[in-house]
Amino acid sequence: GEDVEQSLFLSVREGDSSVINCTYTDSSSTYLYWYKQEPGAGLQLLTYIFSNMDMKQDQRLTVLLNKKDKHLSLRIADTQTGDSAIYFCAESKWRDDKIIFGKGTRLHILP
Amino acid sequence: DGGITQSPKYLFRKEGQNVTLSCEQNLNHDAMYWYRQDPGQGLRLIYYSQIVNDFQKGDIAEGYSVSREKKESFPLTVTSAQKNPTAFYLCASTSGGRGQLLFGSGTQLSVL
Repeated sequence: GEDVEQSLFLSVREGDSSVINCTYTDSSSTYLYWYKQEPGAGLQLLTYIFSNMDMKQDQRLTVLLNKKDKHLSLRIADTQTGDSAIYFCAESKWRDDKIIFGKGTRLHILP
Repeated sequence: DGGITQSPKYLFRKEGQNVTLSCEQNLNHDAMYWYRQDPGQGLRLIYYSQIVNDFQKGDIAEGYSVSREKKESFPLTVTSAQKNPTAFYLCASTSGGRGQLLFGSGTQLSVL
């Protein structure tokens, strides 16, 4: 069945890089996404990657996709206090309206 | 400015009462969604609508109802049949780019 797995918590020191990992089970997933949720707010799309890509970089964010292992990661360089949030991995199929979300990884920034 | 608006921010429900959560968008998006978020549980899809006057059940539709009479509006009613309604409810919309959802700011529903 469809499933997206993430670890629930990650603590990182300010200035270090954060790496948030995600695994998914459906090999037919076409789009893979990272969303950010700040406390008491909705989710905000950070970035996405198409399944025929293996890397995407956008300023401090780097997304790596290992399609063989069904593993997705989000690297945040130079982690800042404003990066403290819950990060959700999500996947969807081509022409399928159902989007599957992971349970989210809470990123905590240590001073 | 275009966006998606949820109201109210906080809502309290008495036992046996139906309550309605509002979701409005002025982005001309075709598809709208309702998700429920419980702590540590991620997002679960309640209902979604791809076009006016049509909607489909998601994974946890029991105890909820929706309507889509206008493109801009997709209200969610939490009925008395929903025995555990306390959660954070999120509405989202998209113009069709798969998964590129725009979310509202959410409604926290609690039971009195």
